[in-house]
Amino acid sequence: AQSVAQPEDQVNVAEGNPLTVKCTYSVSGNPYLFWYVQYPNRGLQFLLKYITGDNLVKGSYGFEAEFNKSQTSFHLKKPSALVSDSALYFCAVRDWSGGYQKVTFGTGTKLQVIP
Amino acid sequence: GAVVSQHPSRVICKSGTSVKIECRSLDFQATTMFWYRQFPKKSLMLMATSNEGSKATYEQGVEKDKFLINHASLTLSTLTVTSAHPEDSSFYICSARPTLRGSTDTQYFGPGTRLTVL
Repeated sequence: AQSVAQPEDQVNVAEGNPLTVKCTYSVSGNPYLFWYVQYPNRGLQFLLKYITGDNLVKGSYGFEAEFNKSQTSFHLKKPSALVSDSALYFCAVRDWSGGYQKVTFGTGTKLQVIP
Repeated sequence: GAVVSQHPSRVICKSGTSVKIECRSLDFQATTMFWYRQFPKKSLMLMATSNEGSKATYEQGVEKDKFLINHASLTLSTLTVTSAHPEDSSFYICSARPTLRGSTDTQYFGPGTRLTVL
């Protein structure tokens, strides 16, 4: 069965510093990986995805993620954090389950950017 | 583009009543929509996959008769919480996957519906 793990419940980073939100995955085949962001009392917004190709994927709002097959990781990164980046971030993996596509989400990591 | 709306955004109801939540894809067609439930400080739990013109596929442990899903058109799916109880209080989020040739499976999420059952 597919799964994703986000080992950190919360990440604190000072404004202007680089940030990393970690994600590792487990799938039976080639992984389709996603990052989403959720602001309070809001739905999820798509940030970026990895399907195939370059291991470094660039997404919205200056975020990027690095796919590492040997470490089965897909960490989210940003060179310089903004206070407005403070939100809940979800890593997700798509795979086939029971004959249809299914997306499994991680437990989420709360990012707090400190002014 | 790729906007998904949910209505209502917030609903309060009495125990024992039914509540219908609508999920619409505004600028694209979606053969498949998903319904999630999110508990406080928890990840999203997939409840069911809604397929246009056919029965929904429910995840294990989700009561089909309690959470009725209807996907009547390529832009609308509804979730009806029947005989709601306080434990059904939660944040319900839908998502839609565009029906496009070559689509790469990105899901677009609605803003969520906060259900409070008194």
